[in-house]
Amino acid sequence: GNSVTQMEGPVTLSEEAFLTINCTYTATGYPSLFWYVQYPGEGLQLLLKATKADDKGSNKGFEATYRKETTSFHLEKGSVQVSDSAVYFCALNTNTGNQFYFGTGTSLTVIP
Amino acid sequence: EPEVTQTPSHQVTQMGQEVILRCVPISNHLYFYWYRQILGQKVEFLVSFYNNEISEKSEIFDDQFSVERPDGSNFTLKIRSTKLEDSAMYFCASSRAAEQFFGPGTRLTVL
Repeated sequence: GNSVTQMEGPVTLSEEAFLTINCTYTATGYPSLFWYVQYPGEGLQLLLKATKADDKGSNKGFEATYRKETTSFHLEKGSVQVSDSAVYFCALNTNTGNQFYFGTGTSLTVIP
Repeated sequence: EPEVTQTPSHQVTQMGQEVILRCVPISNHLYFYWYRQILGQKVEFLVSFYNNEISEKSEIFDDQFSVERPDGSNFTLKIRSTKLEDSAMYFCASSRAAEQFFGPGTRLTVL
């Protein structure tokens, strides 16, 4: 079956610290992988995506590389800001029109 | 930039009452979805809808749930007789390809 396992939170970091949020997946076929972010009181927003092995998705200083050999899609940012405080969800989608499978979400709090 | 909208943002209802959650997907999208997120838990898939019919549904989506696209713009989720455990944030999403665009959610509170 399809599933996503995500690093448990909450994570608290100081401003300018390095961030890693681990995500591994199980999927049939060749999924597309996504990171969504949920800011307080808001919906899910796409942060970045990768559609095939070795692709790197990047946006707003965040990066994640689709690693087929380790079935991983870890999210990284070199220097976090207070405004990055949010809940981050790793997700996969196997085909157009199919459901997304989400991880449990990792809450990140960045303190000044 | 086009976006998915949902109304209301918060709905409070009594157990056993019917609720209808409304969504306006992005206008040129073809696939529509409902997800829910119980507080502190994973975002869970409920149902997908394409070409005016349900294409996929989860075990959560039982006979108490139904979806409809009553006109060219709205996509609704109806819960016939709400239970306490239906309290959650409900997200609508739409897509043309693999990327799904999510609405801001409706927080449903069942008392």
